Amino acid sequence: KQEVTQIPAALSVPEGENLVLNCSFTDSAIYNLQWFRQDPGKGLTSLLLIQSSQREQTSGRLNASLDKSSGRSTLYIAASQPGDSATYLCAVGRVSGNTGKLIFGQGTTLQVKP
Amino acid sequence: DAGITQSPRHKVTETGTPVTLRCHQTENHRYMYWYRQDPGHGLRLIHYSYGVKDTDKGEVSDGYSVSRSKTEDFLLTLESATSSQTSVYFCAISDPGHSGYEQYFGPGTRLTVT
Repeated sequence: KQEVTQIPAALSVPEGENLVLNCSFTDSAIYNLQWFRQDPGKGLTSLLLIQSSQREQTSGRLNASLDKSSGRSTLYIAASQPGDSATYLCAVGRVSGNTGKLIFGQGTTLQVKP
Repeated sequence: DAGITQSPRHKVTETGTPVTLRCHQTENHRYMYWYRQDPGHGLRLIHYSYGVKDTDKGEVSDGYSVSRSKTEDFLLTLESATSSQTSVYFCAISDPGHSGYEQYFGPGTRLTVT
């Protein structure tokens, strides 16, 4: 059974710092991996999607990498800002059936202090 | 933002009553999903649909049923609401022809069962 773990559960950094959020999964047979952002009381916003054949994806100050063999993904945030404060969720897509179903980690809550 | 709406956004109901939540999309995506989000459990898949009238169970489907009579609408019904079904419910959509199953989420419905 696929399990997705995100460590740490919470992180506090000063503004301007570069930071890395970690995601690990137990079964390397994945279809894709998606990073989301969730603000308090809101829905999930898709940040980056990495297909199983890809190693990384970039969007603005965000860079996500994928290493299937080690069961790990990282989300790199450059020059963090207070507006980046949110919960970041990692989710892994299953291979079987190509249904798009995702298994979620429990998230890392990020606080960027001015 | 993907065109996904959920209704109602908030609902308080009594134990034992039936409740129906609605998800509506304007993106013509093939797949639709219902998740619940709870502290300590993260996001868990309840049911999903892979086409009109085609649905299947997720990992926490007991006590829930779904229906999809049109591409754009996916209904989640709690047949007899219990306090354990107090949660935030999210609908999501994806399509293999659109960014390879990238999932987009609705704003959520906060349900309280008293």
